[in-house]
Amino acid sequence: GNSVTQMEGPVTLSEEAFLTINCTYTATGYPSLFWYVQYPGEGLQLLLKATKADDKGSNKGFEATYRKETTSFHLEKGSVQVSDSAVYFCALSVVYGQNFVFGPGTRLSVLP
Amino acid sequence: EPEVTQTPSHQVTQMGQEVILRCVPISNHLYFYWYRQILGQKVEFLVSFYNNEISEKSEIFDDQFSVERPDGSNFTLKIRSTKLEDSAMYFCASRQGPMADTQYFGPGTRLTVL
Repeated sequence: GNSVTQMEGPVTLSEEAFLTINCTYTATGYPSLFWYVQYPGEGLQLLLKATKADDKGSNKGFEATYRKETTSFHLEKGSVQVSDSAVYFCALSVVYGQNFVFGPGTRLSVLP
Repeated sequence: EPEVTQTPSHQVTQMGQEVILRCVPISNHLYFYWYRQILGQKVEFLVSFYNNEISEKSEIFDDQFSVERPDGSNFTLKIRSTKLEDSAMYFCASRQGPMADTQYFGPGTRLTVL
């Protein structure tokens, strides 16, 4: 079946540190890939997405590249801020826009 | 910016009681979804809804669950006889149309079954 695996959290970093959150997937066909972020007390917000191999999604300094050969979609940011503290979810959709499959989420804490 | 809203933010109920969770999707969206997240676990798909009928449901979505779009704006999830294991965060999501690949999520309703 379709599944998403993320690195276990929590991840704790100092401000301005480099961030990587690993995400790998198993899917039939060619899924679209997403990163959602959940700030404390809020819902899931789309952070970035990529719909085909080698596409790079980017937003708010975050980037992720769709790597079909390694079935990965790792999230990176060059310099994190305290305001980036949140839970990050990697997700896929095999049927266009339908029935998302989520990873377990990775909690990020950024310390000043 | 338009957003999905959900009410209530937190619902506490006794085991065996019926609950209705409410969602107002983004107004021009056509596809609607419910997901749930048991504490510490993954966000799981429950059901998708289009054109006033269920288009797909997961094995979690058994006979105790139902969904409805009672008017032009609300989308509800009903749990007929709640069980302890129904305690979770329930997220509603909507998608604009068949050519849209993104679902927009509400803030969730935390359901606690005692």
